[in-house]
Amino acid sequence: AQSVTQLDSHVSVSEGTPVLLRCNYSSSYSPSLFWYVQHPNKGLQLLLKYTSAATLVKGINGFEAEFKKSETSFHLTKPSAHMSDAAEYFCALRTPGRRALTFGSGTRLQVQP
Amino acid sequence: KAGVTQTPRYLIKTRGQQVTLSCSPISGHRSVSWYQQTPGQGLQFLFEYFSETQRNKGNFPGRFSGRQFSNSRSEMNVSTLELGDSALYLCASSSSEGVFSGNTIYFGEGSWLTVV
Repeated sequence: AQSVTQLDSHVSVSEGTPVLLRCNYSSSYSPSLFWYVQHPNKGLQLLLKYTSAATLVKGINGFEAEFKKSETSFHLTKPSAHMSDAAEYFCALRTPGRRALTFGSGTRLQVQP
Repeated sequence: KAGVTQTPRYLIKTRGQQVTLSCSPISGHRSVSWYQQTPGQGLQFLFEYFSETQRNKGNFPGRFSGRQFSNSRSEMNVSTLELGDSALYLCASSSSEGVFSGNTIYFGEGSWLTVV
């Protein structure tokens, strides 16, 4: 069985401060891991993905994530939050041979001015 | 390059009716999958189509069905609508089959279905 746990349902930061959104996973096989962002009334936009190459993955809009196999984690970070980063973020995984993405429950990021 | 296009964006249906949602994948993409998003259950996989064949199906009742056409466009249908079917239905496309786990899946903006 495979699963994704997003450890915080809601994170609030001030504009200009660092962002950390936490994601742990469980998988019997080497997974591919993804972070998606969803702005209100929009679909999912891919931020970045890990597919067994470099463990530190850089994505769009200044986001990056580090795959840590020993900790089964794939946390999303950004050095400096911007008001436009306010949205819901989803961590997802997929394992070889499994067609569907398994999503976490999401983390709502609030950015205070 | 156009993204994944879903129609209609918003619709309201009555219990017992049926609904058809449409999805046009990114040009050249042959894999289309569907997900349901609700506040209570989150994002759940419905099914995936590749080359007009359903490749995988999630844990949903038979009222949920889909198909894919030769141009890779896909439709999903929900019959005998229930209040609990109210959700955002997201279509996603990928360049190749979902068995290649590293493939990027691109999502559309979704179809908001409200059942009253």
